Amino acid sequence: EAGVTQSPTHLIKTRGQQATLRCSPISGHTSVYWYQQALGLGLQFLLWYDEGEERNRGNFPPRFSGRQFPNYSSELNVNALELEDSALYLCASSRGDGTYGYTFGSGTRLTVV
Amino acid sequence: ELKVEQNPLFLSMQEGKNYTIYCNYSTTSDRLYWYRQDPGKSLESLFVLLSNGAVKQEGRLMASLDTKARLSTLHITAAVHDLSATYFCAGGSAGGTSYGKLTFGQGTILTVHP
Repeated sequence: EAGVTQSPTHLIKTRGQQATLRCSPISGHTSVYWYQQALGLGLQFLLWYDEGEERNRGNFPPRFSGRQFPNYSSELNVNALELEDSALYLCASSRGDGTYGYTFGSGTRLTVV
Repeated sequence: ELKVEQNPLFLSMQEGKNYTIYCNYSTTSDRLYWYRQDPGKSLESLFVLLSNGAVKQEGRLMASLDTKARLSTLHITAAVHDLSATYFCAGGSAGGTSYGKLTFGQGTILTVHP
């Protein structure tokens, strides 16, 4: 069974640009979650999508947005990039609300210069 | 809002020794998760604890949950070098503003020495 796949693995952007990160969940999982792991800030919840709808959102500005497609894959968009957006962005998937566990992808390393 | 604190944050162990990582959380949490992360890698799920008194074991690792004390522990038995990694606990909730999201502890960096 294929795991959670994320692309690209690495992304380098200039301050002010937009970044798009993609995630494909495990087959059968309808929920996708996005987390940011920034140096010194730990792992922070960004967004949860289930059945195409945004179910919950973390304490991030509106320039962090995303969507979930009918095939349950998801993309995270970060507009007006700032240097402090440099981080590892992890996607996770689960059946339902994750009660029985979440499976994480390998992440996208975003570097803003 | 749920807050999760781990201690210790750094743990240097000798091979063969036992130790425990503690995870305290601030408010009611319906579920508690433990993850392992190797440098530059993603999170590997270790345990899912869903009820008071839950105890799960896998190899040299054993996790438990005490919801009354708002405490989970990860016990390491007879440590080996392969266990060197960062360990995270995370709390979840079945409802409210924390529904569906994981709130992570700071992580414990474990190094096992010969």
